[in-house]
This record gives sequence, C-alpha cells and structure tokens, in this order.
Amino acid sequence: AQSVTQLDSQVPVFEEAPVELRCNYSSSVSVYLFWYVQYPNQGLQLLLKYLSGSTLVKGINGFEAEFNKSQTSFHLRKPSVHISDTAEYFCAVRVPGANNLFFGTGTRLTVIP
Amino acid sequence: GAGVSQSPSNKVTEKGKDVELRCDPISGHTALYWYRQSLGQGLEFLIYFQGNSAPDKSGLPSDRFSAERTGGSVSTLTIQRTQQEDSAVYLCASSLAGTSTETQYFGPGTRLLVL
Repeated sequence: AQSVTQLDSQVPVFEEAPVELRCNYSSSVSVYLFWYVQYPNQGLQLLLKYLSGSTLVKGINGFEAEFNKSQTSFHLRKPSVHISDTAEYFCAVRVPGANNLFFGTGTRLTVIP
Repeated sequence: GAGVSQSPSNKVTEKGKDVELRCDPISGHTALYWYRQSLGQGLEFLIYFQGNSAPDKSGLPSDRFSAERTGGSVSTLTIQRTQQEDSAVYLCASSLAGTSTETQYFGPGTRLLVL
C-alpha cells in the first residue's frame, strides 16, 4: 500500500518570497510522482511530474520539485511567489500499472501582498 | 481544444434521493477516472474506465455508488439513496490511453450537498 503525506495544511508566504511545499510518500515499490494545483472553483492542473532520470524536475509557472529517494520526498519549490500562486497544491503518486493516482490531503498556499 | 466538462456544477439534494453526475472527457481520451474530494480527506479514487475493458470499481465506497460510460465517451456517476456523508466535490478526469505516466486532465467538478 502507498500513502502520501503533505505535512503542512496551510502555508502563508509574502509575495516575492520563496516557498517550499513538503511531500513525503511511502510505498513498497517505485512510484511516479506528481504535483497538481487547484485554483479556486477550478479542476486540478498538472504542475510537474517525476517519472525517471534527473531528480530535479521543472514545471509550469516557475515551480520545480526534487525527488529524493532516500528521504522518500518530493518537495515543491518556487524561488519567488506571486499573488496568482494562491491555490491548493496536491502531491500524488501512482504505482506503475495501477489505475489511479493516490493523493495527499493538499496544502493551501496563500500569498500575502 | 475543449477540456473535461462536468455537469451540473452544483447539486443540492435531500437525503434519500438519487443523483446523477455527468462527465464529458476530452475527445479521443480512452481513459476516464472519477474521484471524490471531501473536506479534510483529499482526493479519493472511485472508479476507472479504459476503452471497452471492464471498469475498475475498487474505489467505490458502497453499493449505492455506480457509474457507466456509454460509447466510450460520456460517463455518468449515480449515487442512490444519498446520505449526508456523500456531500463532496466529485471530480472527473481523462487521459489519452490510461498509462501510468500520463497526465490526467481534470474537470471543474460537481459540488454535491446532501441536506
């Protein structure tokens, strides 16, 4: 079985400051890792994903994430946030061959002017 | 092109009534997923359709929940005898072929409130 833990349910940060949203996972097999963003009243949109290869993955809107196998982590970072980054962020895993994504409970990022 | 669409966007119903939620996937996508997003619970997988294969119903929480996908396109999620704990946002997603590495594209969801 697998699980995904997003340690912070809410993260407030000032505009133009850096941010890190934490994600840890547990799985007995290798997994693929995803970050999705949900803007208010919208569906989820893929930010980035790690499948294999380089552990540093760059995504849309200036976000990046680093896969750390020994720490079983996949933290999301952005060096300078904008007001428009205010949203809920979900980390997810998928076991190769499985039919579904398994999500964490989400982190609400609020960017303060 | 058009994304995943869902209807209705909001649904209020009384306990014990049946509801139907609709999902139109992206044209050409053979894989379709339903998830439920409850307060404090994150997103839970409900059911998965891939082409003409038998659906994976392993995430359905009870036999009051069912889903069908007609003609390999539109899907309907039906909840019978709704309960207050069914209140949630129901999200539909589609992907091109259902492989594990693919991006799933999500619709805006149907917000269900059971009174």
